[in-house]
Amino acid sequence: DAMVIQNPRYQVTQFGKPVTLSCSQTLNHNVMYWYQQKSSQAPKLLFHYYDKDFNNEADTPDNFQSRRPNTSFCFLDIRSPGLGDAAMYLCATSRDRGSGKDEQYFGPGTRLTVT
Amino acid sequence: GQNIDQPTEMTATEGAIVQINCTYQTSGFNGLFWYQQHAGEAPTFLSYNVLDGLEEKGRFSSFLSRSKGYSYLLLKELQMKDSASYLCAVVDSNYQLIWGAGTKLIIKP
Repeated sequence: DAMVIQNPRYQVTQFGKPVTLSCSQTLNHNVMYWYQQKSSQAPKLLFHYYDKDFNNEADTPDNFQSRRPNTSFCFLDIRSPGLGDAAMYLCATSRDRGSGKDEQYFGPGTRLTVT
Repeated sequence: GQNIDQPTEMTATEGAIVQINCTYQTSGFNGLFWYQQHAGEAPTFLSYNVLDGLEEKGRFSSFLSRSKGYSYLLLKELQMKDSASYLCAVVDSNYQLIWGAGTKLIIKP
């Protein structure tokens, strides 16, 4: 089945220790997104890639970086995690953008704990 | 600014019907999505509306009124597995998805 895969599902890191979250997709979608979601809050878009074109949201902290080495994979790097970065990180894909009806397909998420 | 409003929490009884409302103020409109999110899991797509009116899909229906900036999700014949958060999200004029915080639906036997 075509899907969005995130690894790991649970990640524990220490305050200030860099961490990388990964996402892969078998849907062959052009667009990949990274969201941060805290309990009972809306998902907050951090970045998205349209193919190789990187789009950073204006309020995404510099502590967060992303890489998309190819169509299938996308990584989220948190350079120096703080306690406030503990959250669920969701990767999503869509076939295209610029067309409102393109739904986003989500991976299962990585729950990040910062100790 | 852009804003999506949904009730924080609702409670309903198994077998009943519940309507979850969503109002929005966004810069432009290119459609509205409803997603279901079970606790600790990723959102999954339920419906998409871009024209006014009611879209029915099994036990779930979604309604849109663009002139009122209003949508609702109607869930019929509620089952315990419907206990989840329901997120409303609007596509704005830049084709960005603006998310609501979600409505937590609690189903009681």
